[in-house]
Amino acid sequence: GNSVTQMEGPVTLSEEAFLTINCTYTATGYPSLFWYVQYPGEGLQLLLKATKADDKGSNKGFEATYRKETTSFHLEKGSVQVSDSAVYFCALSPGSGAGSYQLTFGKGTKLSVIP
Amino acid sequence: KAGVTQTPRYLIKTRGQQVTLSCSPISGHRSVSWYQQTPGQGLQFLFEYFSETQRNKGNFPGRFSGRQFSNSRSEMNVSTLELGDSALYLCASYVRGSPDTQYFGPGTRLTVL
Repeated sequence: GNSVTQMEGPVTLSEEAFLTINCTYTATGYPSLFWYVQYPGEGLQLLLKATKADDKGSNKGFEATYRKETTSFHLEKGSVQVSDSAVYFCALSPGSGAGSYQLTFGKGTKLSVIP
Repeated sequence: KAGVTQTPRYLIKTRGQQVTLSCSPISGHRSVSWYQQTPGQGLQFLFEYFSETQRNKGNFPGRFSGRQFSNSRSEMNVSTLELGDSALYLCASYVRGSPDTQYFGPGTRLTVL
């Protein structure tokens, strides 16, 4: 079946530090890949997405590249802010066939940014 | 455009009771999926509804059920509640044919005592 593995947290960074959160996946075919963010007490917000190999998703200074050869979709940001403190989830959807709308999530990585 | 609405936001029940949660999708979205979020298991898919029909179901016991109405609003029901059902239940709405963009509601926090 499909699975997503992301680095365990929590991750604590100083403001303006570089962020990388690793994510690898297992899936057949050509899944779509996503990063979602969850702020305390809230639901999930889509941060960025990529639907085919070598696509780069980007939003709010975050970016991730769909690497089919390494089955990875690592999240990066060049300079984090205190407001980026949240839990980040890597996810995939199969993209076609039965269950194509079903998202499989990683365990989540809690990021804390200190001033 | 209003987002996904989930009611109630918080709920406290005791073991053995049943509960019904509601989800109103974004206007124009006819697909709804439900997810359970717990600290131990993370985010797990419960079921998906489109056009009042369940299209896909996750690996949950029969105590978990759902339905969708003609206006696309969806409800999920959990019968004979167990302590382990305490979780944040999230609903997502989307346009079928666009699986790559699902919008999530704020969730319903269920506590079972």
